[in-house]
Order: sequence, then structure tokens, then C-alpha cells
Amino acid sequence: AQSVTQLGSHVSVSEGALVLLRCNYSSSVPPYLFWYVQYPNQGLQLLLKYTTGATLVKGINGFEAEFKKSETSFHLTKPSAHMSDAAEYFCAVSDRPGNAGKLIFGQGTTLQVKP
Amino acid sequence: DAGVIQSPRHEVTEMGQEVTLRCKPISGHNSLFWYRQTMMRGLELLIYFNNNVPIDDSGMPEDRFSAKMPNASFSTLKIQPSEPRDSAVYFCASSPWGELFFGEGSRLTVL
Repeated sequence: AQSVTQLGSHVSVSEGALVLLRCNYSSSVPPYLFWYVQYPNQGLQLLLKYTTGATLVKGINGFEAEFKKSETSFHLTKPSAHMSDAAEYFCAVSDRPGNAGKLIFGQGTTLQVKP
Repeated sequence: DAGVIQSPRHEVTEMGQEVTLRCKPISGHNSLFWYRQTMMRGLELLIYFNNNVPIDDSGMPEDRFSAKMPNASFSTLKIQPSEPRDSAVYFCASSPWGELFFGEGSRLTVL
């Protein structure tokens, strides 16, 4: 069975500081990995995804994540936090990218950005 | 283009009442998913459809919950009878291939 663990339910950074949100996964098959962001009272929006190929994936709003198979990790980073980045972030794993795939989500990490 | 449309956005009801949540997926997407989000349990997949056919309903909590997708442009999630522990935000998402597009959710409060 697949699973996702997000380390740290709350992360607080200062504006302009590095953002690092941690995600580790468990999968018996090559995983497909996703990061989603949820702003208050909204649905989830895809930030980036890894399916195959290059292990460093760039997404929207300056975020990127690196797939490290040896560490079973897919951490999300952004060099410089902006106030508008404050939101909840979800890491997710799927066993297949096709239509019948379904995502298993982590518990989420709330990012607070201090001025 | 319109995204995934859910209704109602907010629903307050009393225990024992029937609740029906509605979803219109993005046109052309052939997979549809119902998720539930709570503080305690996070995001849980309830059921998903592929080409209008239910594929996996193992996440449906109990027989009080049912979901239908009569055509490619409409799905419902019904709770009958509702209980206070059903209070949550229910999300519908559709997918063309490997990426989920979420609606804004239906916040359900059962008193």
C-alpha cells in the first residue's frame, strides 16, 4: 500500500527566507508524486508533479521539488518566501498516472510567512 | 474555461436529514473523485468514477453514503440519514489523466 508522510504540520518562515516542506512516501511501485496547495476556503490547486524523467521538477509560483528515490523523498522548496505563499500544502502519491489512478494525500503542512 | 463546479457551497442541516451534494466536472475529463476533508482525518478519498462507472468505493464510510454519476457532466453524493460526524468539507475533483482538478468544496455542518 502507498502512503505519504509530511514532516511538520506547521512550518513558519520569515518573508524572503527559504521554504522547505518535507514529504516522504512509501510505494511498492514507481511512484507518481504531486504537491498541491490549498488557500483558505478554496479547493486544492496543483503546484507540481513528478511522473518520469527529470527528478527536479519546477512548478508554479517559484516552487520546485526533487524526487530522491534513495531517500523516498519529494521535498518542496522555494528560495524566497512571499506573504502570499501562506497556505496549506499537501504531498500526494499515486500508483499510476492514468485515468484510473487515485491519489493518497499526506496530512498537510500549514505554511506561515511572517513579515 | 469553467472549473469543477460544486453545489451547495455551504449546507447546514439537522441530524437525520438527507443531504445531496452536487458536482459538475470539467468537460472532457473522464474520471471523477469525491474526497472528504476533516481536521482529524485530513483528505480521504470516498469514491471515484471512470467513464461514469464507479471503480472504487472502498472509502465510503458506510451505507448511509451513496454516490452516482448518471452522465459525464454530473455526479451526486448523498448522505441519508446525516449525522454530526459527517460534518466536513466535501470536494469533487475531475481528471483527464494523472492530475486532479478540484472544486471549491461543499462545507457540510450537521447539527
